[in-house]
Amino acid sequence: GENVEQHPSTLSVQEGDSAVIKCTYSDSASNYFPWYKQELGKGPQLIIDIRSNVGEKKDQRIAVTLNKTAKHFSLHITETQPEDSAVYFCAEFLYNFNKFYFGSGTKLNVKP
Amino acid sequence: EADIYQTPRYLVIGTGKKITLECSQTMGHDKMYWYQQDPGMELHLIHYSYGVNSTEKGDLSSESTVSRIRTEHFPLTLESARPSHTSQYLCASSVRQGGEQYFGPGTRLTVT
Repeated sequence: GENVEQHPSTLSVQEGDSAVIKCTYSDSASNYFPWYKQELGKGPQLIIDIRSNVGEKKDQRIAVTLNKTAKHFSLHITETQPEDSAVYFCAEFLYNFNKFYFGSGTKLNVKP
Repeated sequence: EADIYQTPRYLVIGTGKKITLECSQTMGHDKMYWYQQDPGMELHLIHYSYGVNSTEKGDLSSESTVSRIRTEHFPLTLESARPSHTSQYLCASSVRQGGEQYFGPGTRLTVT
């Protein structure tokens, strides 16, 4: 969406390597930032999220970092596996508007 | 797996036909949403509801309409389908604003 920019649009990595996807936002009132994974033929599924009072959150091979000053947040996937191949979306929640705005998506391909 | 369902999964229909896309959830969530997903992957909010008898239009202008007569059911209707309506439609629900959204598998609509 116009409030969230996501890069890169496509990312290809070798199995075992790390992948990083970055999103930037413009509204300092945003305070909830989820990441969704969408596999082919399915709806998006939440994989990790972070709130603005936290700088980093980790769940096994997945981590999210938030830099409120620079207004960007990133998804980090370590030790990538072929099953990590999917489209990943970042999003921000604007409490002023009670709405989510999604990034344009990153198609991740993990080559075996 | 989230308990949110969409039917049909795929629909090919001729111009001018009236169609209804069904969305149901069994989680008792008050908040429900409809998104349109472009071929370029970005999600755009077209309708949302905060509870029974509550519906609002989203950011993306849409000729569709929605209703919320029961908590678990949030159907989307197109009175007269056009080729420009060809897209994927995703339904989602959440417990609260600014919380995790649970997505259905989507309906891929093609209007010929």
